Amino acid sequence: AQKVTQTQTSISVMEKTTVTMDCVYETQDSSYFLFWYKQTASGEIVFLIRQDSYKKENATVGHYSLNFQKPKSSIGLIITATQIEDSAVYFCAMREVAGNTRKLIFGLGTTLQVQP
Amino acid sequence: EAAVTQSPRNKVTVTGGNVTLSCRQTNSHNYMYWYRQDTGHGLRLIHYSYGAGNLQIGDVPDGYKATRTTQEDFFLLLELASPSQTSLYFCASSDLANTGQLYFGEGSKLTVL
Repeated sequence: AQKVTQTQTSISVMEKTTVTMDCVYETQDSSYFLFWYKQTASGEIVFLIRQDSYKKENATVGHYSLNFQKPKSSIGLIITATQIEDSAVYFCAMREVAGNTRKLIFGLGTTLQVQP
Repeated sequence: EAAVTQSPRNKVTVTGGNVTLSCRQTNSHNYMYWYRQDTGHGLRLIHYSYGAGNLQIGDVPDGYKATRTTQEDFFLLLELASPSQTSLYFCASSDLANTGQLYFGEGSKLTVL
């Protein structure tokens, strides 16, 4: 069965620093997709970045990047040069490619607070 | 820009009440989902659908029905609402043939007294 675990409940960092949020996953599938989503204070949930399991290169979008360590079943989200507006809850999610289900399983989220 | 619209945004009902949450997407996506979000539990999948007339059971389906009437519209039904169903509900759509990412609606806050 799929499982996504985010062990960090909350993180506080100073503005303009780099932060890494951890995520580990469990799957029996050899092919899968990993996602990070951001939920703002208003409740809006937006997609940030995706990693395909068959790609060795870490995905990068703007000041978001991933640290994909497949042997460890780990997909960390790295935010560089953090800004106040990066304060939010970040969710890691996984979707398996094979099988009959087409659902995303989410972790419990990590709350990031960026201090001025 | 992908668009998923939920209504109502806020709803208060009493125990035993009948509630319908509506979701419409204009993305031409095949898949639509209903999640509930609760503190300490994150986002949990209730039901999902891959097209009009189709319904798939999610991870926390008890007490919920759902119906997909068209490609655009997906409804979540609570026929005998209970206080345990007080939650923030999110609808999402996805084009699995492409990136597979979810596009979320704004959320519907339901309070069952």
